[in-house]
Amino acid sequence: EIVLTQSPGTLSLSPGERATLSCRASQSVSSNYLAWYQQKPGQAPRLLIYGASSRATGIPDRFSGSGSGTDFTLTISRLEPEDFAVYYCQQYGSSPWTFGQGTKVEIK
Amino acid sequence: EVQLLESGGGLVQPGGSLRLSCAASGFTFSSYAMSWVRQAPGRGLEWVSSISGSGGSIYYAGSVKGRFTISRDNSKNTLYLQMNSLRAEDAALYYCAKGGGQYLYYFDYWGQGTLVTVSS
Repeated sequence: EIVLTQSPGTLSLSPGERATLSCRASQSVSSNYLAWYQQKPGQAPRLLIYGASSRATGIPDRFSGSGSGTDFTLTISRLEPEDFAVYYCQQYGSSPWTFGQGTKVEIK
Repeated sequence: EVQLLESGGGLVQPGGSLRLSCAASGFTFSSYAMSWVRQAPGRGLEWVSSISGSGGSIYYAGSVKGRFTISRDNSKNTLYLQMNSLRAEDAALYYCAKGGGQYLYYFDYWGQGTLVTVSS
């Protein structure tokens, strides 16, 4: 089973700042099948990125994904008020599909 | 518009059973993998089970293998999760999620979830 470790656990930033979230896999993610999700309190998760770097439909271009193999990054170029949420990475390259434990992006 | 509507959650005693359903609309159901993902209160996301669009490929998390059964009825655009031998640790909000393709197991649309409570 691939274990995904997200860091940091919490990121305290101000609107307008850049956010860099890390997701490290315990072994290489096949075909870079790595996705990122955003979840706000009381809501279902929303897909942001799939295939490590492809933005999902309707996702603003301030969200970008990068990385390959075992190291992946989600970058939010300029935080908007609605971006403060919990972010999860997920690998779907090999079963069992697994999620990271999440990074909370909070307002500083 | 893609819509996923879960139902079937509720209160069940340890050792009991429940059957969750997910009614899908707004896309060609048989062309997409479907999955169940759960989230215990205040916790992160945990993948539970997935099934390919045709139903020919099925996957389970180790924590539910042998107790849960995923299935789909492509004629009714409905996904199911039969949950047997339920444990306290199975209590969670269960989401139905649409895959990115026939065999692509990222989740591009999610339902609002159905709550499963396991308690005596």
